[in-house]
Amino acid sequence: AQKITQTQPGMFVQEKEAVTLDCTYDTSDPSYGLFWYKQPSSGEMIFLIYQGSYDQQNATEGRYSLNFQKARKSANLVISASQLGDSAMYFCSGSNTGKLIFGQGTTLQVKP
Amino acid sequence: GAVVSQHPSWVICKSGTSVKIECRSLDFQATTMFWYRQFPKQSLMLMATSNEGSKATYEQGVEKDKFLINHASLTLSTLTVTSAHPEDSSFYICSARSNNEQFFGPGTRLTVL
Repeated sequence: AQKITQTQPGMFVQEKEAVTLDCTYDTSDPSYGLFWYKQPSSGEMIFLIYQGSYDQQNATEGRYSLNFQKARKSANLVISASQLGDSAMYFCSGSNTGKLIFGQGTTLQVKP
Repeated sequence: GAVVSQHPSWVICKSGTSVKIECRSLDFQATTMFWYRQFPKQSLMLMATSNEGSKATYEQGVEKDKFLINHASLTLSTLTVTSAHPEDSSFYICSARSNNEQFFGPGTRLTVL
């Protein structure tokens, strides 16, 4: 069984600063994928970034980067140069059988 | 990216009635779709995996007779909440898999009075 843990229920960040959202995972499978999604108040799930377990380099997508530490089983999301529109709920999720399992989520608020 | 739609986007119904939610993949075929449920400020909980042409696979603790899933075609899966009660009020989200990626629908907000 796979488990995704996000230990930060809420985070604040000043506009234009960077913020790190924590995620740890627990799986015994050698092959898996890790995803981050953003969910604004509208409810839609917006895909941000993906990291495969065999990927040698940390994934990056624009202002989003994933700090993947396999030995520690962590896949933290780093958002650089925060914008007011980044205020939302963020979910870390993992997949090894095609099903996505989600962490508890972190609510990020960007302060002007 | 691929587009997944859900209908309706919101529904209000009386206790005891049944509600059907549709999930469609608009520009791709999806042999597998997933149904999630989300309470306010909480995570998405996987309810079931919907497989085209076969029975859905339900997660532990999800009543299959309560939440009927039908995946009759490669572009449509439906979730029917039977005899809905106020505790079934929630945000229901579907997703469809295509080429190892998952695409989410916009969600359906169900309120049972």
